[in-house]
Amino acid sequence: GENVEQHPSTLSVQEGDSAVIKCTYSDSASNYFPWYKQELGKRPQLIIDIRSNVGEKKDQRIAVTLNKTAKHFSLHITETQPEDSAVYFCAAGSQDSGGSNYKLTFGKGTLLTVNP
Amino acid sequence: DTGVSQDPRHKITKRGQNVTFRCDPISEHNRLYWYRQTLGQGPEFLTYFQNEAQLEKSRLLSDRFSAERPKGSFSTLEIQRTEQGDSAMYLCASSLRQLKETQYFGPGTRLLVL
Repeated sequence: GENVEQHPSTLSVQEGDSAVIKCTYSDSASNYFPWYKQELGKRPQLIIDIRSNVGEKKDQRIAVTLNKTAKHFSLHITETQPEDSAVYFCAAGSQDSGGSNYKLTFGKGTLLTVNP
Repeated sequence: DTGVSQDPRHKITKRGQNVTFRCDPISEHNRLYWYRQTLGQGPEFLTYFQNEAQLEKSRLLSDRFSAERPKGSFSTLEIQRTEQGDSAMYLCASSLRQLKETQYFGPGTRLLVL
């Protein structure tokens, strides 16, 4: 099955700096890569996703890059703010053989702390 | 709130008791997923429904676990004869037919088995 590794497990940055979180996956059939933000005691919230037919996607201060050959993808947050502090999860998804289910395999998460 | 909802939000039970959780997906989402999340880990897939049909179950889902989605709307997850190792956050997610890969999560039910 799919295996997703996420690094680092914790990341501390100063407000205004950039933060980068990296993930690798093992299954070449994976073609969908979402990132979720989870604040303490709250639900995981989708912040950005990328499909395997593109190499980069940007949404304001957040960007995701994908290298299919190397099987890794990264989340980039620029101009970080204290409210960016949370746990961030990457995931890799692929369709099952029947084509109906998109199973997501998650990384273990990165605790991002943005210091004012 | 028109997002995925789950009930209860917290459950404390004694070992050996049965518990049941409910998930209400976003309206018109035909796919529904159950995940388990333990401390310091990402969500782990348990099972998946397309409408009322349960199409896939993880090996994590032992015989003590059963899930249903009888009318293709809300779903229930029951754990029988709970064990301390069942203590976790149980998350539900749903997705649209047209955008089946994009999953939206509920707030979860935190289970503590004493």
